[in-house]
Amino acid sequence: DTEVTQTPKHLVMGMTNKKSLKCEQHMGHRAMYWYKQKAKKPPELMFVYSYEKLSINESVPSRFSPECPNSSLLNLHLHALQPEDSALYLCASSQGLNRGYEQYFGPGTRLTVT
Amino acid sequence: RKEVEQDPGPFNVPEGATVAFNCTYSNSASQSFFWYRQDCRKEPKLLMSVYSSGNEDGRFTAQLNRASQYISLLIRDSKLSDSATYLCVVTTNYGGSQGNLIFGKGTKLSVKP
Repeated sequence: DTEVTQTPKHLVMGMTNKKSLKCEQHMGHRAMYWYKQKAKKPPELMFVYSYEKLSINESVPSRFSPECPNSSLLNLHLHALQPEDSALYLCASSQGLNRGYEQYFGPGTRLTVT
Repeated sequence: RKEVEQDPGPFNVPEGATVAFNCTYSNSASQSFFWYRQDCRKEPKLLMSVYSSGNEDGRFTAQLNRASQYISLLIRDSKLSDSATYLCVVTTNYGGSQGNLIFGKGTKLSVKP
């Protein structure tokens, strides 16, 4: 089973709202990722967690705040977003950070900021 | 030079055709290579890893040429359901961390009846 789940599937929020995206995997993977994807562009890496510790932050604005409560869960807390933050937010996981490990993506949360 | 380059297409082919995509990468230290497919408004799905010896999975064959730094994907007997964007993906070290995926911009394939 290579399933990564994400909730919600769609989210519309105002610029003053606070919301959270959730991601879960039960494959025993120890690395988890957040990506942002705009239309007709490839995914862009935002954050990487390895063994529940933040490993990489790709200079993401502080209005995006990741959290890894345990090895199966990854959250992305959103606050004071801008309309240009509207995108598909993808979560992925892999066995580890070793370069040979394949990443498996969740279905994504389609975010619209109004 | 972009890290991973692909012809954006679109490739419009009839059912049953054979189609090939190429991808080049700039970092000679790149270690792992993958093809993902992405349907419109869906997540990328891993199609296959690419090994130096080449590998085949049914109608799909992937090849890696390290000397020329290119990767290819061959699809035989195209089906309507193969219509998607195919993403060439490479992993490389940077920032002291390993395993981060570098995506090409994708090649769009449209298979017509």
